[in-house]
Amino acid sequence: DAKTTQPNSMESNEEEPVHLPCNHSTISGTDYIHWYRQLPSQGPEYVIHGLTSNVNNRMASLAIAEDRKSSTLILHRATLRDAAVYYCILRGYSGGGADGLTFGKGTHLIIQP
Amino acid sequence: EADIYQTPRYLVIGTGKKITLECSQTMGHDKMYWYQQDPGMELHLIHYSYGVNSTEKGDLSSESTVSRIRTEHFPLTLESARPSHTSQYLCASSEFGRATEAFFGQGTRLTVV
Repeated sequence: DAKTTQPNSMESNEEEPVHLPCNHSTISGTDYIHWYRQLPSQGPEYVIHGLTSNVNNRMASLAIAEDRKSSTLILHRATLRDAAVYYCILRGYSGGGADGLTFGKGTHLIIQP
Repeated sequence: EADIYQTPRYLVIGTGKKITLECSQTMGHDKMYWYQQDPGMELHLIHYSYGVNSTEKGDLSSESTVSRIRTEHFPLTLESARPSHTSQYLCASSEFGRATEAFFGQGTRLTVV
């Protein structure tokens, strides 16, 4: 599976937008970009996914670079409840296996009140 | 609200005991996964299944075993628990495909003393 690179941690203030970057320079044309987050003491939860176009849902927006080698998860107005570890994952055809549901270290997002 | 359940949430057990961690989902998903996560560390895939009677080993070698006799049920068993098995175990399920959302349980925190 193609790998992703994320900053270890980021800090933001409450009620401000947060931009979480992810680099995936070896992405293939069939890989979907997924984001999950894991709140303290909980299992991961799905946030958003996309292929080529930018995507919006009730939780966040996903901005995908034109060459697809990077993407940015955007939280429009962070709250204290958004403090979590955010994972950027590529899901593609891996010739078998778990459809690329493989987690890296993620970005630990800290929200300051 | 995710319809995937893990029991127990917490388990403290003595060395040498046989344990089974339960995972059930009511969404009819064919794919199911088990992950192991130590505190503050990333998730590691240890087992997955494509459907009934299918089980595969994940990226991280594990002494645990799994079975998939029913679509909704994917239990994990340790024949003889050891302190090195102390960790959090997370179960997940999804439909097939790169653009599907995975749902995670709350996890079982296992301590072997």
